[in-house]
Order: sequence, then structure tokens, then C-alpha cells
Amino acid sequence: QKEVEQNSGPLSVPEGAIASLNCTYSDRGSQSFFWYRQYSGKSPELIMSIYSNGDKEDGRFTAQLNKASQYVSLLIRDSQPSDSATYLCAVTSVGSGAGSYQLTFGKGTKLSVIP
Amino acid sequence: DTGVSQNPRHKITKRGQNVTFRCDPISEHNRLYWYRQTLGQGPEFLTYFQNEAQLEKSRLLSDRFSAERPKGSFSTLEIQRTEQGDSAMYLCASSLPPGQGFSPTGELFFGEGSRLTVL
Repeated sequence: QKEVEQNSGPLSVPEGAIASLNCTYSDRGSQSFFWYRQYSGKSPELIMSIYSNGDKEDGRFTAQLNKASQYVSLLIRDSQPSDSATYLCAVTSVGSGAGSYQLTFGKGTKLSVIP
Repeated sequence: DTGVSQNPRHKITKRGQNVTFRCDPISEHNRLYWYRQTLGQGPEFLTYFQNEAQLEKSRLLSDRFSAERPKGSFSTLEIQRTEQGDSAMYLCASSLPPGQGFSPTGELFFGEGSRLTVL
């Protein structure tokens, strides 16, 4: 069973602080890693993707990947109340069908940014 | 609007009835996924199409569930003899063909979802 684990939170941070979200995965063969943001009642929205070890920065967001430790993280700098949402970690895994890949999601971490 | 489109957005039905959801993917995306999400959980994979071929089905997908993608364009997900446990958000996503970008899955883009309530 391929698993993606996240702390469900809620994680509360004051406005302007750094929010740190963590994720571990079980499938060593995973190649692609994503962070999705999901507002209440809405569908997931892709915010970051990362494919190689190290850091990837995009605006206020930084994704970090350590394949040896099977660990992915997302840092949100200068957190804003509009960042309050559930953040889903998703990891590519090979499916049973030929040429089949699927994205396995964690349960998500709920982030609250306090004004 | 060129995003993933899902219909209906909301469906309320009585236990035992059949329901069908439709998904229209982004036009150049040949891969289409169905996921199910319940409150407090992440999306759970149901099934996946590459063009018109259904390449993967989750064990979560009982024989009451059937999905099709005729002609490799839109897809339908039908649930027969609905049960209260089927109440969930049904999400459709699409992605580019393999080899485009770095990810073998392509980056998935989700529709707004179809929320099912079974009474």
C-alpha cells in the first residue's frame, strides 16, 4: 500500500510568519511530487511541483525534496490570511496497468493564518 | 473557459437510484482521472484513462461504479444503486501526454467537482 502521510493540523501561524508543511511517502520509486491547495468546498489547485532533490522556489512558496529520507515539505513565507486552506501533498506512483501512473494524495494539513 | 468542466455540480438522490457524472477535460490533455473525496480526507484515486483506454481501476471502485471515455474526449462516471456511503465529492482531473514536462503523470488539473448526497 503506497502511502502519503501528512500532519492533519490545524497548523496556526500569525500573519507574516513562515508556515512549514511536511509530508512523507512510502514508495521509494516515486518520481514526482506536488503540493495542492484546497479551499473549503473547492477543488484542489496545483501550487508547486518538484522532481529532484533540493529546493524549488516560486514567489512566497518553497518546496523541498529529500528522496533519501522520502520527505517533501512546503514553506510559505510572509503568510497571509488568504493562505488559510488545506494543503495536500501528492506523490506519483506507478500503477498496475501498463504505462499507468497515478497520483496518491495525503489527507492534507489545514493551515490557518491569524491576522 | 478552457479548464476541466464537471456536471452536475451537485446531485441529491435517494438510496438505490443511479447517478451519472460527466467530465470534459482540457482539450489537449489525453489523460483523465476520477478521484473521490470525503470530508477531512485527501482525494482517493478511482480510475484513469489514457485516451479512450481505461488503464487503471482502484479496488475502491466496486462493480456498482462504471466509467467510460468514448472517443477519448469527455468521460462519464456512473454509480448504480447508490448507497449512503457513496456520498462524496467526485473529482475529475486531466493531464498532458507523457513526455511533456518532467512528470510521468503530467501535472493534474482538477475540475470543480460533483458533490453527491445520497439520502
